[in-house]
Amino acid sequence: EIVLTQSPATLSLSPGERATLSCRASQSVSSYLAWYQQKPGQVPRLLIYDASTRATGIPARFSGSGSGTDFTLTISNLEPEDFAVYYCQQRGIWPPITFGQGTRLEIK
Amino acid sequence: EVQLVESGGGLVKPGGSLRLSCAASGFTFSNAWMTWVRQAPGKGLEWVGLIKSKTDGGTTDYAAPVKGRFTISRDDSKNTLYLQMNSLRSEDTGVYYCTSAPDSLYWGQGTLVTVSS
Repeated sequence: EIVLTQSPATLSLSPGERATLSCRASQSVSSYLAWYQQKPGQVPRLLIYDASTRATGIPARFSGSGSGTDFTLTISNLEPEDFAVYYCQQRGIWPPITFGQGTRLEIK
Repeated sequence: EVQLVESGGGLVKPGGSLRLSCAASGFTFSNAWMTWVRQAPGKGLEWVGLIKSKTDGGTTDYAAPVKGRFTISRDDSKNTLYLQMNSLRSEDTGVYYCTSAPDSLYWGQGTLVTVSS
């Protein structure tokens, strides 16, 4: 089973700053890595798939990069609505499809 | 507009069974791969399992914690996805979401399953 390790567990930043979230896979998953955002009480939302492709309607300040085992989600110029929990998910080697444990992005 | 609407959640005793349904609309359900994802209270997301479209074989795959206890099926004539859950345990408690697959672009609102005596 592919283990995804997200870091940091919690990231404290201010609006307008840049957020860099990391996801490391225990084996190469090629580019089959997705990122999701979940706000409290809400359903998760797909942000990025195939490591770097933004889903429909996702603002350009969200970008994804990486391949193999190391992936990054970057949120430039943080907006107040961006503070949430972010999960990475791999489907490069499955079953099972696996999620990371999440990174909480909080307002500093 | 794509809609996924789950139903069937509730309170069940350990060892009991429950069947969840997910009614789909706004897309060609018969061509879609579908998954179930769950989230325990205050915890992260956990993939439960997946079913392929019948044209891709209609096969299923499951996460280890539910394999042998949970069964995913589909009725393309009703545009509905199912999750039959047997031998339920307290650790199965959580919100269950149906989603499109393999990347979960579309999500239902979730249905809460509580396993408790």
